[in-house]
Amino acid sequence: DVKVTQSSRYLVKRTGEKVFLECVQDMDHENMFWYRQDPGLGLRLIYFSYDVKMKEKGDIPEGYSVSREKKERFSLILESASTNQTSMYLCASSPGQGVMYGYTFGSGTRLTVV
Amino acid sequence: DAKTTQPPSMDCAEGRAANLPCNHSTISGNEYVYWYRQIHSQGPQYIIHGLKNNETNEMASLIITEDRKSSTLILPHATLRDTAVYYCIVRVAYPGGYQKVTFGTGTKLQVIP
Repeated sequence: DVKVTQSSRYLVKRTGEKVFLECVQDMDHENMFWYRQDPGLGLRLIYFSYDVKMKEKGDIPEGYSVSREKKERFSLILESASTNQTSMYLCASSPGQGVMYGYTFGSGTRLTVV
Repeated sequence: DAKTTQPPSMDCAEGRAANLPCNHSTISGNEYVYWYRQIHSQGPQYIIHGLKNNETNEMASLIITEDRKSSTLILPHATLRDTAVYYCIVRVAYPGGYQKVTFGTGTKLQVIP
């Protein structure tokens, strides 16, 4: 069964810390995505990547960066965590061309910044 | 990106058909309609997609109007396990083959025993 695995289910970090959220997919997908989900706001796209070392800003990239050194791994980085980054973070992947089945999502990382 | 509009919540009796509407009046000719659902504390799960023809799979049916400005996801015999948030999204394809998809807030479907 195909999988998108997020390294942590729950994470608590302090304000100002540098935080790494890791995502690995085993489907050889070209595209990978990071979303955050907050009550009443749905899923909002932070960054996405369509190839190794390539990245594109989504709708809310401020305060975040990403890294994709290998095809299967896409990391979300909070350079200096703040309390307003407390959220559920979801990683997803999809094939590059002719997508017919859309995204496969991970189970999410619930990050709390205190 | 084409926007979608969904009712925030719906109830459905167990065993009955659940019909979830979605408006996407600005959809363009090469954009697909996708449906996902998110059960509490899990990541969204793909259900079905379509371009202009009605589609059916083992999970659901998708009815797209002729003008493609709206669609309906049908769960023919809703069970308690179908209680979830359902997202209707429109896929935007950029040159180069990668996509950016925007999720809205979805419809929270409550299946009632």
